[in-house]
Amino acid sequence: AQTVTQSQPEMSVQEAETVTLSCTYDTSESNYYLFWYKQPPSRQMILVIRQEAYKQQNATENRFSVNFQKAAKSFSLKISDSQLGDTAMYFCAPHAQGGSEKLVFGKGTKLTVNP
Amino acid sequence: GAVVSQHPSRVICKSGTSVKIECRSLDFQATTMFWYRQFPKQSLMLMATSNEGSKATYEQGVEKDKFLINHASLTLSTLTVTSAHPEDSSFYICSATRAGTAAQADTQYFGPGTRLTVL
Repeated sequence: AQTVTQSQPEMSVQEAETVTLSCTYDTSESNYYLFWYKQPPSRQMILVIRQEAYKQQNATENRFSVNFQKAAKSFSLKISDSQLGDTAMYFCAPHAQGGSEKLVFGKGTKLTVNP
Repeated sequence: GAVVSQHPSRVICKSGTSVKIECRSLDFQATTMFWYRQFPKQSLMLMATSNEGSKATYEQGVEKDKFLINHASLTLSTLTVTSAHPEDSSFYICSATRAGTAAQADTQYFGPGTRLTVL
């Protein structure tokens, strides 16, 4: 079984600043992926970034990067140069390898970017 | 690529009626589709997993006879809420995975969701 903890229910940041969202997880799987999804007010789930657990190198996607600490089972998301459009709920989710495996979502962090 | 659509986006129905929600993968063949429901200010809760031509696998606590899932083709899955009641009012979201590299196969792409209101 997999569990996910996002300890920050809400966060806010000023536009252009950097913010880090935390996520810890527990899994018994040896091969898995980790995902961050965002859900803006439109409620469309959007993939932000994906990390393969077997890779030591942290994933980056433009202004988004992760700090993946496998031993600590920590997977934080850093957003640089925050933009108003980054305002959303952010969900962390581990996923066992295999296309039919399910995502296990954390409770989410509501991020507000202020002008 | 990897666009998933849902129809309708919003539906209002009377208690006791059935409602069908469609989920389509528009530019890829979906090996697996997933159905979630989301209550206000809460996370997504997986309801069921379906593969084309197979019976859906339901999560514990989800009533199979109430939430009928049909996955008739590699691009279409439907969720039918039978004899809907006000407590079934929620936001329903589908997702799909695609064939391809291992990373692609393990990434879920989400539809825009359907807001169901049962009066």
